[in-house]
Amino acid sequence: EVQLVESGGVVVQPGGSLRLSCAASGFTFDDYTMHWVRQAPGKGLEWVSLISWDGGSTYYADSVKGRFTISRDNSKNSLYLQMNSLRTEDTALYYCAKPLYSSGWYHPFDYWGQGTLVTVSS
Amino acid sequence: QSVLTQPPSVSGAPGQRVTISCTGSSSNIGAGYDVHWYQQLPGTAPKLLIYGNSNRPSGVPDRFSGSKSGTSASLAITGLQAEDEADYYCQSYDSSLSGSRGWVFGGGTKLTVL
Repeated sequence: EVQLVESGGVVVQPGGSLRLSCAASGFTFDDYTMHWVRQAPGKGLEWVSLISWDGGSTYYADSVKGRFTISRDNSKNSLYLQMNSLRTEDTALYYCAKPLYSSGWYHPFDYWGQGTLVTVSS
Repeated sequence: QSVLTQPPSVSGAPGQRVTISCTGSSSNIGAGYDVHWYQQLPGTAPKLLIYGNSNRPSGVPDRFSGSKSGTSASLAITGLQAEDEADYYCQSYDSSLSGSRGWVFGGGTKLTVL
């Protein structure tokens, strides 16, 4: 059974830093690109970042580019999101998500974690 | 402002048919990128409902169907049930050179079963 379990969400002050983790199981992790998607309270879904299966390619939404860094450790079946220079508008539930297929870029997400809440507030 | 435009809300009585539209542009849906749909029940993670414009994952009832034409897509739900009350999101990819490039979602549509 595929499982994605996020952790690391806390309350942090504006300008602060945070590292989110996502532990994956139930599938061959290093076959798949992986994504982070966020959802602000009461709002819609926003794609945040993608990392290729080997970590060699990364992409970011403009809203987080230059502040967030996605990474992965295939030996630990884990995905990470380093978040720096946090802003109040980064407050959201952060999900890691697995694409439906292991090859190609534009696939939907067939598995999501339960999310971890990041609150940026003074 | 979402790159993909959905109506904020739709409603229908049990047993009825409702549709949810998703309007994009020439840099996303109109460029040939597939549209996918998600259902999000209150307090839960999104669930893939339709992928590749019109395909249903295993376990999704055939009451749910999707279509795509030009720069738009639609999700249709027939035989509405109380358990269908949820938020629905469309998703695609945007190839614009502007800030919207990447995996994009609609703003979401809240379905109310009357």
